[in-house]
Amino acid sequence: GQNIDQPTEMTATEGAIVQINCTYQTSGFNGLFWYQQHAGEAPTFLSYNVLDGLEEKGRFSSFLSRSKGYSYLLLKELQMKDSASYLCAVSDSNYQLIWGAGTKLIIKP
Amino acid sequence: GAVVSQHPSWVICKSGTSVKIECRSLDFQATTMFWYRQFPKQSLMLMATSNEGSKATYEQGVEKDKFLINHASLTLSTLTVTSAHPEDSSFYICSARDGGSPREEQFFGPGTRLTVL
Repeated sequence: GQNIDQPTEMTATEGAIVQINCTYQTSGFNGLFWYQQHAGEAPTFLSYNVLDGLEEKGRFSSFLSRSKGYSYLLLKELQMKDSASYLCAVSDSNYQLIWGAGTKLIIKP
Repeated sequence: GAVVSQHPSWVICKSGTSVKIECRSLDFQATTMFWYRQFPKQSLMLMATSNEGSKATYEQGVEKDKFLINHASLTLSTLTVTSAHPEDSSFYICSARDGGSPREEQFFGPGTRLTVL
């Protein structure tokens, strides 16, 4: 079956760095997405990886290792507004997104 | 960037009535649209995939006669919750895939919060 695993909840301090991991097992692979979702709102796109390596975009970076079925989202210089759920999703062989359950990130002052 | 709108943003209805939710891609043609449901503190649950001009493909456990999906054009898909009941109260989110995008990214609408009394 298809499966996406990510931690349920993480806590970090304002100004610090946090890494949210995602492992996946899917039928086919056409890329991995990270989305941010604030409570009561729809998800918003953060990053996309289809090749191995690190993609950096401002304070956020995303890493992919296809051979390991592994990705992480790295958030630097954490701000209170970064408190949200972070969703990992893999595009399978049919380009359908398989979603992880999301990681709730709590930022403390 | 690609924009997807959803209307209404929230709706309250009586049990037994039907509710229609619209999803529009504003600046691109969406050959495929997706309907999700999300209960509080849970992840997104894909309900169905709709392709323009053809019948929607429903996920296991989703009643197609209760959740009617119409994808009449490349920019509009509608979800009708028929004979709504309190257990249908949820956050419904649509997304649209830009077929012209090489990474087949899904763009999300803002969501519709449905409360059935």
